[in-house]
Amino acid sequence: EDKVVQSPLSLVVHEGDTVTLNCSYEVTNFRSLLWYKQEKKAPTFLFMLTSSGIEKKSGRLSSILDKKELFSILNITATQTGDSAVYLCAASLFGNTPLVFGKGTRLSVIA
Amino acid sequence: EPEVTQTPSHQVTQMGQEVILRCVPISNHLYFYWYRQILGQKVEFLVSFYNNEISEKSEIFDDQFSVERPDGSNFTLKIRSTKLEDSAMYFCASKSVRLPYEQYFGPGTRLTVT
Repeated sequence: EDKVVQSPLSLVVHEGDTVTLNCSYEVTNFRSLLWYKQEKKAPTFLFMLTSSGIEKKSGRLSSILDKKELFSILNITATQTGDSAVYLCAASLFGNTPLVFGKGTRLSVIA
Repeated sequence: EPEVTQTPSHQVTQMGQEVILRCVPISNHLYFYWYRQILGQKVEFLVSFYNNEISEKSEIFDDQFSVERPDGSNFTLKIRSTKLEDSAMYFCASKSVRLPYEQYFGPGTRLTVT
């Protein structure tokens, strides 16, 4: 069975801290890994990672994929209260197949 | 920026009633999906739709569920006889042929079955 596991499930940090969120996957026909941020409603797209070892960056967020060890990390530096959300990791498979989601990491950033 | 829209944002219904959740995917997208997320749980796939037919469905998507693309823009999910356990957020997503990896999600419809 395809599965995506995220850790930790929840995390509380202070503003300014750096956090690392983990995502491991065991899926067949893996194509890419996606990170989403979910605040009150729909997941919003952050990154798509297809190749190993290439870091993607967007402002204070960055992510990298390791296809040999089957995991990805999402880093957030200098966290702000607006970063508080559930961060979802999802595996995209070859073919027109649905995303396989992890349970998410709930990040709370306190002032 | 184009976005997926969903209506209503919140639907309250009684057990046994039929509900229709509506989605307007991004206009040049050809793949459509419904997912649901029960409160506190992970996002689960329900069904995917392409070329006017279901391409894949999960075990959750039983005979009580159906999907339709009644015109060129709307994509609907119907639940014929709702159960308490159908209470969840229902997300529609779409993706284009040219960007096959990114699924764009709508804001969701919160369905509450009482």
